[in-house]
Amino acid sequence: LAKTTQPISMDSYEGQEVNITCSHNNIATNDYITWYQQFPSQGPRFIIQGYKTKVTNEVASLFIPADRKSSTLSLPRVSLSDTAVYYCLVGYTGTASKLTFGTGTRLQVTL
Amino acid sequence: GAGVSQSPRYKVTKRGQDVALRCDPISGHVSLYWYRQALGQGPEFLTYFNYEAQQDKSGLPNDRFSAERPEGSISTLTIQRTEQRDSAMYRCASSDRDRGPSPLHFGNGTRLTVT
Repeated sequence: LAKTTQPISMDSYEGQEVNITCSHNNIATNDYITWYQQFPSQGPRFIIQGYKTKVTNEVASLFIPADRKSSTLSLPRVSLSDTAVYYCLVGYTGTASKLTFGTGTRLQVTL
Repeated sequence: GAGVSQSPRYKVTKRGQDVALRCDPISGHVSLYWYRQALGQGPEFLTYFNYEAQQDKSGLPNDRFSAERPEGSISTLTIQRTEQRDSAMYRCASSDRDRGPSPLHFGNGTRLTVT
Protein backbone atom coordinates (compact mmCIF):
# COMPACT_ATOMS: atom_id res chain seq x y z
CA LEU A 1 0.00 0.00 0.00
CA ALA A 2 1.29 3.43 -0.94
CA LYS A 3 1.58 5.60 2.15
CA THR A 4 0.95 9.32 1.84
CA THR A 5 2.42 12.25 3.72
CA GLN A 6 0.81 15.66 3.85
CA PRO A 7 1.30 18.78 5.95
CA ILE A 8 -0.88 18.68 9.02
CA SER A 9 -2.21 22.19 8.57
CA MET A 10 -2.04 25.27 6.37
CA ASP A 11 -3.33 28.81 6.69
CA SER A 12 -4.35 31.14 3.89
CA TYR A 13 -6.09 34.42 3.30
CA GLU A 14 -9.19 34.64 1.22
CA GLY A 15 -8.47 35.19 -2.47
CA GLN A 16 -5.07 33.52 -2.45
CA GLU A 17 -4.05 30.38 -4.30
CA VAL A 18 -3.35 27.41 -2.05
CA ASN A 19 -1.12 24.51 -2.97
CA ILE A 20 -1.16 21.35 -0.86
CA THR A 21 1.50 18.77 -1.62
CA CYS A 22 1.24 15.07 -0.90
CA SER A 23 4.20 12.67 -0.95
CA HIS A 24 3.65 9.08 -2.04
CA ASN A 25 7.05 7.55 -2.69
CA ASN A 26 5.76 3.98 -2.97
CA ILE A 27 3.04 4.63 -5.52
CA ALA A 28 2.37 1.61 -7.73
CA THR A 29 2.01 1.59 -11.50
CA ASN A 30 -1.76 1.10 -11.38
CA ASP A 31 -2.42 3.63 -8.62
CA TYR A 32 -4.35 6.82 -9.20
CA ILE A 33 -4.13 9.92 -7.02
CA THR A 34 -7.38 11.23 -5.62
CA TRP A 35 -8.09 14.21 -3.41
CA TYR A 36 -11.05 14.57 -1.09
CA GLN A 37 -12.40 17.49 0.93
CA GLN A 38 -14.12 17.04 4.25
CA PHE A 39 -16.15 19.54 6.23
CA PRO A 40 -17.02 18.94 9.87
CA SER A 41 -19.91 16.52 10.34
CA GLN A 42 -19.84 15.48 6.69
CA GLY A 43 -18.29 12.62 4.79
CA PRO A 44 -15.31 13.23 2.51
CA ARG A 45 -16.22 14.65 -0.88
CA PHE A 46 -14.36 13.94 -4.13
CA ILE A 47 -12.46 16.91 -5.55
CA ILE A 48 -10.17 15.68 -8.29
CA GLN A 49 -8.33 12.63 -9.54
CA GLY A 50 -5.37 12.06 -11.81
CA TYR A 51 -2.73 9.60 -12.97
CA LYS A 52 0.00 11.83 -14.39
CA THR A 53 0.76 15.36 -15.59
CA LYS A 54 -1.99 17.88 -14.92
CA VAL A 55 -5.70 17.62 -14.39
CA THR A 56 -8.04 20.57 -14.01
CA ASN A 57 -11.71 20.82 -13.20
CA GLU A 58 -14.03 23.58 -12.11
CA VAL A 59 -12.77 23.65 -8.53
CA ALA A 60 -9.12 22.62 -8.53
CA SER A 61 -6.04 21.55 -10.41
CA LEU A 62 -3.86 18.55 -9.73
CA PHE A 63 -0.19 18.53 -10.69
CA ILE A 64 1.66 15.22 -10.85
CA PRO A 65 5.36 15.10 -11.81
CA ALA A 66 6.75 12.46 -14.12
CA ASP A 67 8.00 10.22 -11.29
CA ARG A 68 4.55 10.35 -9.64
CA LYS A 69 6.11 10.30 -6.18
CA SER A 70 4.23 13.40 -5.17
CA SER A 71 1.24 15.44 -6.21
CA THR A 72 0.02 18.97 -5.58
CA LEU A 73 -3.56 20.06 -5.20
CA SER A 74 -4.02 23.66 -6.24
CA LEU A 75 -7.05 25.66 -5.12
CA PRO A 76 -7.33 28.99 -6.93
CA ARG A 77 -8.59 32.03 -5.05
CA VAL A 78 -9.78 30.29 -1.91
CA SER A 79 -12.72 31.57 0.07
CA LEU A 80 -13.78 31.08 3.66
CA SER A 81 -15.93 28.14 2.56
CA ASP A 82 -12.81 26.25 1.49
CA THR A 83 -11.84 25.83 5.14
CA ALA A 84 -11.81 22.06 5.50
CA VAL A 85 -9.59 19.00 5.75
CA TYR A 86 -8.07 17.78 2.50
CA TYR A 87 -7.02 14.16 2.02
CA CYS A 88 -4.75 12.67 -0.59
CA LEU A 89 -5.38 9.03 -1.47
CA VAL A 90 -3.31 6.75 -3.63
CA GLY A 91 -4.79 3.56 -5.00
CA TYR A 92 -7.79 2.47 -6.99
CA THR A 93 -11.10 0.80 -6.54
CA GLY A 94 -10.42 -2.84 -7.08
CA THR A 95 -10.33 -6.29 -5.71
CA ALA A 96 -6.74 -6.06 -4.60
CA SER A 97 -6.82 -2.64 -3.10
CA LYS A 98 -8.16 -0.90 -0.04
CA LEU A 99 -8.24 2.85 -0.07
CA THR A 100 -6.52 4.21 3.01
CA PHE A 101 -6.81 7.77 4.23
CA GLY A 102 -4.01 9.58 6.00
CA THR A 103 -4.44 12.32 8.56
CA GLY A 104 -5.12 14.97 5.93
CA THR A 105 -4.27 18.68 5.75
CA ARG A 106 -6.41 21.09 7.73
CA LEU A 107 -6.76 24.28 5.67
CA GLN A 108 -7.86 27.40 7.50
CA VAL A 109 -8.90 30.36 5.33
CA THR A 110 -9.32 33.77 6.95
CA LEU A 111 -10.19 37.25 5.78
CA GLY B 1 -31.56 7.84 -4.02
CA ALA B 2 -29.37 10.80 -4.84
CA GLY B 3 -26.55 9.85 -2.50
CA VAL B 4 -25.31 7.31 -0.03
CA SER B 5 -27.73 6.99 2.86
CA GLN B 6 -26.77 5.78 6.30
CA SER B 7 -29.01 5.02 9.22
CA PRO B 8 -29.42 5.71 11.99
CA ARG B 9 -27.74 9.10 11.98
CA TYR B 10 -27.02 8.80 15.69
CA LYS B 11 -26.99 5.71 17.88
CA VAL B 12 -26.51 5.63 21.61
CA THR B 13 -26.20 2.21 23.16
CA LYS B 14 -25.12 0.68 26.40
CA ARG B 15 -21.97 -1.33 26.68
CA GLY B 16 -22.58 -4.97 25.88
CA GLN B 17 -25.45 -4.38 23.48
CA ASP B 18 -25.33 -5.28 19.79
CA VAL B 19 -25.81 -2.59 17.14
CA ALA B 20 -26.50 -2.74 13.42
CA LEU B 21 -25.58 0.15 11.17
CA ARG B 22 -27.11 0.36 7.75
CA CYS B 23 -25.75 1.70 4.48
CA ASP B 24 -27.79 2.23 1.33
CA PRO B 25 -25.37 2.99 -1.52
CA ILE B 26 -26.04 4.97 -4.65
CA SER B 27 -28.19 2.88 -6.95
CA GLY B 28 -26.09 0.77 -9.26
CA HIS B 29 -22.85 1.22 -7.37
CA VAL B 30 -21.05 -2.08 -7.16
CA SER B 31 -18.36 -1.36 -4.57
CA LEU B 32 -19.14 -0.51 -0.99
CA TYR B 33 -16.66 0.49 1.70
CA TRP B 34 -16.98 0.86 5.47
CA TYR B 35 -14.78 3.25 7.39
CA ARG B 36 -14.52 4.38 10.99
CA GLN B 37 -13.46 7.90 11.82
CA ALA B 38 -12.34 9.21 15.18
CA LEU B 39 -12.48 12.91 15.92
CA GLY B 40 -9.61 14.73 14.25
CA GLN B 41 -8.45 11.67 12.34
CA GLY B 42 -8.83 10.46 8.80
CA PRO B 43 -11.26 7.66 7.99
CA GLU B 44 -9.91 4.22 8.94
CA PHE B 45 -10.65 1.38 6.54
CA LEU B 46 -12.74 -1.46 7.92
CA THR B 47 -13.94 -3.61 5.02
CA TYR B 48 -15.20 -3.50 1.47
CA PHE B 49 -17.48 -5.36 -0.91
CA ASN B 50 -17.66 -5.80 -4.63
CA TYR B 51 -21.27 -6.69 -5.33
CA GLU B 52 -22.21 -9.12 -2.55
CA ALA B 53 -18.72 -10.48 -2.04
CA GLN B 54 -16.68 -9.22 0.87
CA GLN B 55 -13.29 -8.65 -0.70
CA ASP B 56 -11.28 -7.46 2.26
CA LYS B 57 -12.14 -7.44 5.95
CA SER B 58 -8.65 -6.93 7.26
CA GLY B 59 -9.55 -3.59 8.80
CA LEU B 60 -12.22 -4.98 11.12
CA PRO B 61 -10.75 -4.51 14.63
CA ASN B 62 -11.81 -7.88 16.04
CA ASP B 63 -14.38 -10.62 15.68
CA ARG B 64 -17.11 -8.52 17.30
CA PHE B 65 -17.31 -6.61 14.04
CA SER B 66 -18.92 -8.10 10.96
CA ALA B 67 -20.47 -6.83 7.75
CA GLU B 68 -22.68 -8.20 5.06
CA ARG B 69 -24.16 -7.16 1.76
CA PRO B 70 -26.33 -10.14 0.85
CA GLU B 71 -27.95 -8.81 -2.33
CA GLY B 72 -25.16 -6.57 -3.51
CA SER B 73 -26.92 -3.38 -2.51
CA ILE B 74 -27.68 -2.46 1.13
CA SER B 75 -24.99 -3.32 3.63
CA THR B 76 -25.11 -3.78 7.38
CA LEU B 77 -22.19 -3.37 9.75
CA THR B 78 -22.84 -5.19 13.01
CA ILE B 79 -20.97 -4.70 16.24
CA GLN B 80 -21.62 -7.28 18.91
CA ARG B 81 -21.12 -6.73 22.64
CA THR B 82 -20.24 -3.09 22.14
CA GLU B 83 -17.49 -1.46 24.16
CA GLN B 84 -16.83 2.19 24.88
CA ARG B 85 -13.83 2.16 22.56
CA ASP B 86 -16.22 1.41 19.68
CA SER B 87 -17.61 4.94 19.95
CA ALA B 88 -16.86 6.73 16.68
CA MET B 89 -18.34 7.95 13.41
CA TYR B 90 -18.94 5.05 11.05
CA ARG B 91 -18.94 6.01 7.39
CA CYS B 92 -20.00 4.13 4.31
CA ALA B 93 -18.89 4.90 0.77
CA SER B 94 -19.80 3.46 -2.61
CA SER B 95 -18.24 3.43 -6.04
CA ASP B 96 -19.65 2.69 -9.47
CA ARG B 97 -16.87 0.30 -10.50
CA ASP B 98 -15.38 -2.82 -9.04
CA ARG B 99 -12.03 -1.90 -10.47
CA GLY B 100 -10.37 1.26 -11.68
CA PRO B 101 -10.08 4.94 -10.77
CA SER B 102 -13.60 5.46 -9.58
CA PRO B 103 -14.10 8.00 -6.78
CA LEU B 104 -15.77 7.10 -3.52
CA HIS B 105 -19.09 8.70 -2.61
CA PHE B 106 -19.57 8.97 1.13
CA GLY B 107 -22.66 9.10 3.27
CA ASN B 108 -22.96 11.39 6.27
CA GLY B 109 -22.20 8.59 8.66
CA THR B 110 -23.61 7.09 11.84
CA ARG B 111 -22.36 8.55 15.10
CA LEU B 112 -22.13 5.67 17.56
CA THR B 113 -21.84 6.38 21.26
CA VAL B 114 -21.38 3.51 23.68
CA THR B 115 -22.11 4.40 27.29
